[in-house]
Amino acid sequence: DVKVTQSSRYLVKRTGEKVFLECVQDMDHENMFWYRQDPGLGLRLIYFSYDVKMKEKGDIPEGYSVSREKKERFSLILESASTNQTSMYLCASSPRTSGDDYNEQFFGPGTRLTVL
Amino acid sequence: AQRVTQPEKLLSVFKGAPVELKCNYSYSGSPELFWYVQYSRQRLQLLLRHISRESIKGFTADLNKGETSFHLKKPFAQEEDSAMYYCALSRGGSEKLVFGKGTKLTVNP
Repeated sequence: DVKVTQSSRYLVKRTGEKVFLECVQDMDHENMFWYRQDPGLGLRLIYFSYDVKMKEKGDIPEGYSVSREKKERFSLILESASTNQTSMYLCASSPRTSGDDYNEQFFGPGTRLTVL
Repeated sequence: AQRVTQPEKLLSVFKGAPVELKCNYSYSGSPELFWYVQYSRQRLQLLLRHISRESIKGFTADLNKGETSFHLKKPFAQEEDSAMYYCALSRGGSEKLVFGKGTKLTVNP
């Protein structure tokens, strides 16, 4: 059973703080993703990593960075948190696709971040 | 650019009634379409994909390339179908998904 875990379910931080959100998957997946989920806006991709130390910007990377030092772990970093980064953050993983095959993305439970 | 549109933010039906959640997409190539579902206090999970052409929990979805649609249907809604539903698109072979904004389905007793 694929397991994607996120370090915190709820997090409250202050404006300007550096924030780390951690995600770990135990299925040896190559791909990992960070999304934010906001009512009325759906899921928006922040960053994507397709291998260790490899990353690609998603649709809304501004104000975020990521780190993938190990295959199973993908960290999202808010360098200086702002109130407009208050959101639900979802991590996902998937195996690498081959040819035209698509592989399902498996999601973590989410971290609800509040920035005061 | 790829885009997924779910025109209804909220959809409310009675138990036993048919339900259709609409999804339209914009993509010039051959897309792969998916429906993901998030039940209350559960994680987001795949419901079905157009390639497999299967019925999951009584739901079906047909890809209509002429109308660029991938509507999700169920003939008789159940209360346990109440959830947030997201339509998503991928270019063939792409690792990434583009999600719609979601439709919250409520099935009333």
